[in-house]
Amino acid sequence: DTEVTQTPKHLVMGMTNKKSLKCEQHMGHRAMYWYKQKAKKPPELMFVYSYEKLSINESVPSRFSPECPNSSLLNLHLHALQPEDSALYLCASSQDRDRGYQPQHFGDGTRLSIL
Amino acid sequence: KQEVTQIPAALSVPEGENLVLNCSFTDSAIYNLQWFRQDPGKGLTSLLLIQSSQREQTSGRLNASLDKSSGRSTLYIAASQPGDSATYLCAVDGRGGGADGLTFGKGTHLIIQP
Repeated sequence: DTEVTQTPKHLVMGMTNKKSLKCEQHMGHRAMYWYKQKAKKPPELMFVYSYEKLSINESVPSRFSPECPNSSLLNLHLHALQPEDSALYLCASSQDRDRGYQPQHFGDGTRLSIL
Repeated sequence: KQEVTQIPAALSVPEGENLVLNCSFTDSAIYNLQWFRQDPGKGLTSLLLIQSSQREQTSGRLNASLDKSSGRSTLYIAASQPGDSATYLCAVDGRGGGADGLTFGKGTHLIIQP
């Protein structure tokens, strides 16, 4: 069982819809991450939050909007997505690097399909 | 920019064999290296983490080594079992400063034949 919980597990949406992906962890981690994984490709970093502040945005289009309302929650708001945005979206968390060398823990992901 | 390469891309072996998966990275200024397992349609399961100051880590039938100066890591799987069939991903945490993201290799797709 994963300690990082992502909801929903599957999401199908049209290009004009607005939806949100949710990620939750209760391990006391202060760093949280969003990755995008296309089929048969490795995960690619999208965003990093450190102590609830956005620290890295890997030039992600504005139709993806991250939010970290508190230290346990990470959201990814979706709007006007394109078919090529269909992918597995993975959330991860870790202790902030200043606390030592800690592994990233991943959730099971949300499989997103854009019609 | 950090680049991670994994060899081989795919591997199919009979049950019981010992095998080695290879990972190389271009920038040796890493914090740590992690090996993950990913089953089809699933998330990532962390197998081993090697800190930059360490040479190897072991967990059960798995042993990972790190040669930071040459930019290489290997994952050794002893006495392979059909349940080991999965994609194995190598990832490096290579930026300085605070919390950071991982750079992944493309993975090795492993099939263990019963």
